Amino acid sequence: AQKITQTQPGMFVQEKEAVTLDCTYDTSDQSYGLFWYKQPSSGEMIFLIYQGSYDEQNATEGRYSLNFQKARKSANLVISASQLGDSAMYFCAMREAVNDMRFGAGTRLTVKP
Amino acid sequence: DVKVTQSSRYLVKRTGEKVFLECVQDMDHENMFWYRQDPGLGLRLIYFSYDVKMKEKGDIPEGYSVSREKKERFSLILESASTNQTSMYLCASSILSGEFYEQYFGPGTRLTVT
Repeated sequence: AQKITQTQPGMFVQEKEAVTLDCTYDTSDQSYGLFWYKQPSSGEMIFLIYQGSYDEQNATEGRYSLNFQKARKSANLVISASQLGDSAMYFCAMREAVNDMRFGAGTRLTVKP
Repeated sequence: DVKVTQSSRYLVKRTGEKVFLECVQDMDHENMFWYRQDPGLGLRLIYFSYDVKMKEKGDIPEGYSVSREKKERFSLILESASTNQTSMYLCASSILSGEFYEQYFGPGTRLTVT
């Protein structure tokens, strides 16, 4: 069964505007971690932000924030003030056990000038 | 600076060949992972290893094997390459313990099997 669902294959946003990339997950564990990675066209995976299941506050890292709604099992990534360099694939991932991480299918974000 | 390196960025092999993909990390990480990435499917875990000579199957181990003889090196082996194994292969590593561990990725190997 799919554990991580990203329903938006592609998204467009105007430069300097904010954008939300959706992610829902499925787990019965109480302890888990949620991650977002960025993959530019060059191919490398860049870690952006992390949210622990017990964290009460939403994680933030610069222009990135994670909108964590535990009851709805969603972990949306919000990028504020989009820049052209934000154009990339974005992957949501979840870790349930120490050795186990699963990724969603990804969302391709295109920032328009 | 943390580093995960993969032996090749691009590789072209023929059907039936034995293929070795090498991954090396310099962070003394216990965990190492192999994923394949296909459009619309995201990253799918093939195998992972949490210690030297230890391995665990991921979601799609069929047609693949792995080897971890040294802590820093994790090899993915395609015993008899097939065209459906044409894909991007990503290696990653992480520390073993702690609730939060980030996975560090290599640059990827784009494998084409003809």
